[in-house]
Amino acid sequence: QKEVEQDPGPLSVPEGAIVSLNCTYSNSAFQYFMWYRQYSRKGPELLMYTYSSGNKEDGRFTAQVDKSSKYISLFIRDSQPSDSATYLCAMTVFDYGQNFVFGPGTRLSVLP
Amino acid sequence: NAGVTQTPKFQVLKTGQSMTLQCAQDMNHNSMYWYRQDPGMGLRLIYYSASEGTTDKGEVPNGYNVSRLNKREFSLRLESAAPSQTSVYFCATLTTLGGDKGNYGYTFGSGTRLTVV
Repeated sequence: QKEVEQDPGPLSVPEGAIVSLNCTYSNSAFQYFMWYRQYSRKGPELLMYTYSSGNKEDGRFTAQVDKSSKYISLFIRDSQPSDSATYLCAMTVFDYGQNFVFGPGTRLSVLP
Repeated sequence: NAGVTQTPKFQVLKTGQSMTLQCAQDMNHNSMYWYRQDPGMGLRLIYYSASEGTTDKGEVPNGYNVSRLNKREFSLRLESAAPSQTSVYFCATLTTLGGDKGNYGYTFGSGTRLTVV
C-alpha cells in the first residue's frame, strides 16, 4: 500500500460544477497538508496548505482535513476551464525541513 | 525574479551516457531538492540539500549523484544513464509561507524531460 493514495482520474466536469479531489494516507504522524496544481508541462505550484483538521477556504478553493479518517479533500467551486490541471496532494510531519510525501495526482478537465 | 531555473528543458540520452541537470535559484533559500515524476508514481525524492555543503539521499537515489555547488546551485548527475531513468526531473526549494505556525512549502522549477533510449 502506498503511503498516500489519490484517484488518478481523469475527472471531467462541466464549467461551473463543484469539484471534489481526495487523498487518503496511512501515516498518522502526518500533520501538515498541501495541495499543488500542475499544468501540463509545468512544475507544480502551491495552491493551499493547512496543518489542522477542519476546513480552510481561499476564494473558490476549500481544503478539508479529517485526521481521524486519514483523509483530505480539495473542493473547487464554480470550476473554470483554467482549473484544468493535475492536482497533487502532499503531506509531512510538521517539522521544518522534513520531506513531503506526494500523492500521484488527479487529472482534472473542466469543459466549457 | 526567475525563482528556480532548470536546464536543459529536454534531453535525449543513449544508454550509458552521462549528463548533469542544472538547477539554480535566486530566492536565497537554504534547502534544495531533486524529484523525479513518473506516471502513476507521483513525485519521488532523489536527493536533497538542507544547506550549502550538505546533501542527503531521498527515496530513490540509486544511479544519481548530486553537488551543492553553492547556495544558489544544486546539480544532479547521471553517470551511466539507463532507460529506467526516463522521467521528468524537478528541482525545488523550500520556502517559508508566513503565518503564526511557520508554514512552508516548495517552489518548483519547470522541469527537465529526460528520455534514455
